Amino acid sequence: DTEVTQTPKHLVMGMTNKKSLKCEQHMGHRAMYWYKQKAKKPPELMFVYSYEKLSINESVPSRFSPECPNSSLLNLHLHALQPEDSALYLCASSRETGTVISPLHFGNGTRLTVT
Amino acid sequence: AQTVTQSQPEMSVQEAETVTLSCTYDTSESDYYLFWYKQPPSRQMILVIRQEAYKQQNATENRFSVNFQKAAKSFSLKISDSQLGDAAMYFCAYRDGMNYGGSQGNLIFGKGTKLSVKP
Repeated sequence: DTEVTQTPKHLVMGMTNKKSLKCEQHMGHRAMYWYKQKAKKPPELMFVYSYEKLSINESVPSRFSPECPNSSLLNLHLHALQPEDSALYLCASSRETGTVISPLHFGNGTRLTVT
Repeated sequence: AQTVTQSQPEMSVQEAETVTLSCTYDTSESDYYLFWYKQPPSRQMILVIRQEAYKQQNATENRFSVNFQKAAKSFSLKISDSQLGDAAMYFCAYRDGMNYGGSQGNLIFGKGTKLSVKP
């Protein structure tokens, strides 16, 4: 069982649709992340939230809009996506530790297909 | 810029045998951290082992151990007594030593090595 829960597991959407990916953790972690992973490739960081504030945006197109309503929840709002945005979207969280390293805890991902 | 290289796209090992996965990295930093993550077909990335660059002693976690060669910038993973459940994609990852104010910043992943375990 994963401690980071992502919904839905699979999502198919058209290029004109608006959809949202959801991520939830109840480990008390104050940092949450969105990664994008194409087939047979490593994950690529998209966004990082630290204490519910966006701290890193890796030059992600505006058709991806992250939201962190509270310390347990992380959303990724999708609008006007392109077929090349089809990928596995992974959410992760970690403890706030300053300079001490804390591993990332990942969810099982949402497999997104854009038609 | 830091880079992580995994030169073995695929590896295979017989059950109960030992296998070593290679990873090299490039950085000008002196303070950093290295990780091995495993991604089975279930898709969840799972931390296998981690190593702080300032520690000379190689990290071990049960059947998993690393050979950390800081001067050579090498960080290989050894899996002993391989089990069928070890079959997965293994990613080597690098993190610099900066304080990101609460998060772990950006992990830089290698391209991965797909490990198959034969019964």
